[in-house]
Amino acid sequence: DQQVKQNSPSLSVQEGRISILNCDYTNSMFDYFLWYKKYPAEGPTFLISISSIKDKNEDGRFTVFLNKSAKHLSLHIVPSQPGDSAVYFCAATSNTDKLIFGTGTRLQVFP
Amino acid sequence: DGGITQSPKYLFRKEGQNVTLSCEQNLNHDAMYWYRQDPGQGLRLIYYSQIVNDFQKGDIAEGYSVSREKKESFPLTVTSAQKNPTAFYLCASSPWGTTNEKLFFGSGTQLSVL
Repeated sequence: DQQVKQNSPSLSVQEGRISILNCDYTNSMFDYFLWYKKYPAEGPTFLISISSIKDKNEDGRFTVFLNKSAKHLSLHIVPSQPGDSAVYFCAATSNTDKLIFGTGTRLQVFP
Repeated sequence: DGGITQSPKYLFRKEGQNVTLSCEQNLNHDAMYWYRQDPGQGLRLIYYSQIVNDFQKGDIAEGYSVSREKKESFPLTVTSAQKNPTAFYLCASSPWGTTNEKLFFGSGTQLSVL
């Protein structure tokens, strides 16, 4: 049973435009959410996180939105750059429990 | 230069052979983890350890074994009982010893079966 779902395996966006990556979850006990970015043959690196007490968290070009009633979060990248091309994983957890990762979305930013 | 070092970067296993993947960290983190990544799938937890000399099974522990004799080291052995070992293996650590904190990942080991 996939508790964290990223239904879009890939996304292609033009440089300078907005990239929106989506993530849905089923476990209402999840209270902390993270996004990781992964380049090929490398380990993921932490990008941004959000606690369930917030509905938005912003860090430079990256903003994560959380809609608890819909059990949905999204990552916005504005403006998108070619260096943003990578696989993005969302992950979720509840207090003291292990992280559950989604299947990832491959973002390609083209000139 | 602090971080997590995984070795080797590429590893080949023959049928019936056990192989060990190395993971070392100099971040002074309490918790360490092993994940497996397969194409089109998320990261799946194999084993994790929150303290030296203690470790717990993750979601897909069958066919794997670990040890945590030192805080800095958390090697993973892929045994011959693991029938589908070809995957990208990632080691991670976190500083506070709880399993839901931000993880720091190594660069991974690609294991293939000959």
